Amino acid sequence: GAGVSQSPSNKVTEKGKDVELRCDPISGHTALYWYRQSLGQGLEFLIYFQGNSAPDKSGLPSDRFSAERTGGSVSTLTIQRTQQEDSAVYLCASSPSTYDTQYFGPGTRLTVL
Amino acid sequence: AQKITQTQPGMFVQEKEAVTLDCTYDTSDQSYGLFWYKQPSSGEMIFLIYQGSYDEQNATEGRYSLNFQKARKSANLVISASQLGDSAMYFCAMRDYDSGYSTLTFGKGTMLLVSP
Repeated sequence: GAGVSQSPSNKVTEKGKDVELRCDPISGHTALYWYRQSLGQGLEFLIYFQGNSAPDKSGLPSDRFSAERTGGSVSTLTIQRTQQEDSAVYLCASSPSTYDTQYFGPGTRLTVL
Repeated sequence: AQKITQTQPGMFVQEKEAVTLDCTYDTSDQSYGLFWYKQPSSGEMIFLIYQGSYDEQNATEGRYSLNFQKARKSANLVISASQLGDSAMYFCAMRDYDSGYSTLTFGKGTMLLVSP
C-alpha cells in the first residue's frame, strides 16, 4: 500500500515568513510523529499525535512551531516567522498504534534564507 | 549521558562481506524497544529491524540481524553479504518509558560505504 507522503519535498522561504508542511500518514495508522533532522542536532522529536490529540508536544523548540491533525489523518506542521536555524529536513512518521514500529515519509527539506 | 551511542561515524566494507554497526544504549527502564533504520541519499528513513527488551532471541530480517546483549546494553546491527545498495546512513533508535514510550531517540548514525 501507499507509504507516508509529505509535501512539499523542498521549500525555500525567506526569514520571517510562515511555512506549512503537510504529512499524509499510512491509511489506518492512528499515531503520527514529527521529527526534525539537522546537521548540528541530528534527529529530534517534535510532536506526537494519537488520533487528533497531541499528548506529547515536548519537542517543539519554540512557540513559533505548532501542529494539528484533523480527521485522524493528515497533519500540518506550521512554523511562523521562520528563522535560519529552522533550516532542516522535517520528517513525518506514522504507526498503527502508539507502541508499533514507526514508518517514515521522505521528508520536507526546508531552507530559510 | 547520551541515550543512544553510535561510535562509528563511518564504515567501509567490500561487497559480499559482512559488517557490524555498533550501538549502545542507556536506559533504566526494563521495558524498551530498539530499532535500526537505514537512510539512503534519497533521505527516506527505512525501517530495518526491531528488538524488544524482553525478546529472548536476537531479531533477524533477511540479511539483517541484531546482536542484542542486554547486560552490555548493546544492540549491534549485522548486515551479511553486503550489497552496493546497502551504502547509506544507519541509525539506531530506542523507545523507552522515560521518553514517553511513544517517541524514538536516535543515535548520530553511521555512514556505511560498500565498495565493489
